[in-house]
Amino acid sequence: NAGVMQNPRHLVRRRGQEARLRCSPMKGHSHVYWYRQLPEEGLKFMVYLQKENIIDESGMPKERFSAEFPKEGPSILRIQQVVRGDSAAYFCASSLQETEVNTEAFFGQGTRLTVV
Amino acid sequence: DAKTTQPNSMESNEEEPVHLPCNHSTISGTDYIHWYRQLPSQGPEYVIHGLTSNVNNRMASLAIAEDRKSSTLILHRATLRDAAVYYCTGGNYKLTFGKGTLLTVNP
Repeated sequence: NAGVMQNPRHLVRRRGQEARLRCSPMKGHSHVYWYRQLPEEGLKFMVYLQKENIIDESGMPKERFSAEFPKEGPSILRIQQVVRGDSAAYFCASSLQETEVNTEAFFGQGTRLTVV
Repeated sequence: DAKTTQPNSMESNEEEPVHLPCNHSTISGTDYIHWYRQLPSQGPEYVIHGLTSNVNNRMASLAIAEDRKSSTLILHRATLRDAAVYYCTGGNYKLTFGKGTLLTVNP
């Protein structure tokens, strides 16, 4: 059973370009979470999705950031018109149920975005 | 989400037990306490979680205070591979982590 797969592992974008980060959850998992980790900081929740639904996007910046988890295919975190401050590691996690219930979340290896 | 407080760093010797504390005084009565760890350049890895009772698994033990305002992650015999940043978090799916505790294991 493959773990949570994120790609690309490293992404370099120039200011103003778009960044697309992909996450394939573990097989059978229908809950996906995106997190951002800035250098020397802890993990910050961004968005929680289930198939075709955004459940909670309270941690996502209001502009330039969007996320989706379509019926088929991976979850996508999209950052438009990237700026230097978007440089960070972005982690995706998946779970069978909501992690407030008695379950654990499995994390991917992350995508390290560098904006130059 | 519960606000958590952990020491910035701790040090241990190989093969010795390690007790990693976490204060989560604002945790609600129904929130689980989760522990994750993160090795350099890796994603966080689940360690253990619990609600009220102490919990054991193959990786660690979790001791939860009776008032649930604090918990302690116990690594019974630290190995070099246990060197990581350990995060505790209480709350729901948001699993927001603070800066965690950097555990150094000396050979």
